[in-house]
Amino acid sequence: GEDVEQSLFLSVREGDSSVINCTYTDSSSTYLYWYKQEPGAGLQLLTYIFSNMDMKQDQRLTVLLNKKDKHLSLRIADTQTGDSAIYFCAEVYNQGGKLIFGQGTELSVKP
Amino acid sequence: DAGVIQSPRHEVTEMGQEVTLRCKPISGHNSLFWYRQTMMRGLELLIYFNNNVPIDDSGMPEDRFSAKMPNASFSTLKIQPSEPRDSAVYFCASSLMDYTIYFGEGSWLTVV
Repeated sequence: GEDVEQSLFLSVREGDSSVINCTYTDSSSTYLYWYKQEPGAGLQLLTYIFSNMDMKQDQRLTVLLNKKDKHLSLRIADTQTGDSAIYFCAEVYNQGGKLIFGQGTELSVKP
Repeated sequence: DAGVIQSPRHEVTEMGQEVTLRCKPISGHNSLFWYRQTMMRGLELLIYFNNNVPIDDSGMPEDRFSAKMPNASFSTLKIQPSEPRDSAVYFCASSLMDYTIYFGEGSWLTVV
């Protein structure tokens, strides 16, 4: 069955880098995603990576994909207090457009 | 461009009442998804449509839940009768074939 796992909490200091990790099970996933959810808000698509890529960089965000280990990570450089939110990893299950989400990692950024 | 639009944003209703949640997907998108978010179960896919046709409704909890998509620009999720355990945030999302899936701001439902 499909499963996506994330650690629940991460705390960093402002200006440091944050690394949020995720493992997934469906090796046929074509796309993997990172979403951000702020309190009381919807899910904002941050970035995504196609399964034939190892890395994708977008400004302060770097996504690393290790297909062999089914491991995905999101690095946020120069983390700011405005980055405090819950970050969800998701995979497309069975190439049918069905997104399977992890439990979310709550990122707390301390000044 | 307008994103996915959901209504109502917040609803408080009494147990036993019918609840209808509405969604307008992004224009041109051909897939639409309804998700539910709770503290206990996280984000769960309830149902998704492709070209207005329900493809996978295996996540719909029980017969009290129904979803329709009468045209490409509108979908409803109905709960009848509602129960307190249905209290959650219900998200609608849409996508085009490129698999970039965009979410609405959610409908926050409280059943008392």
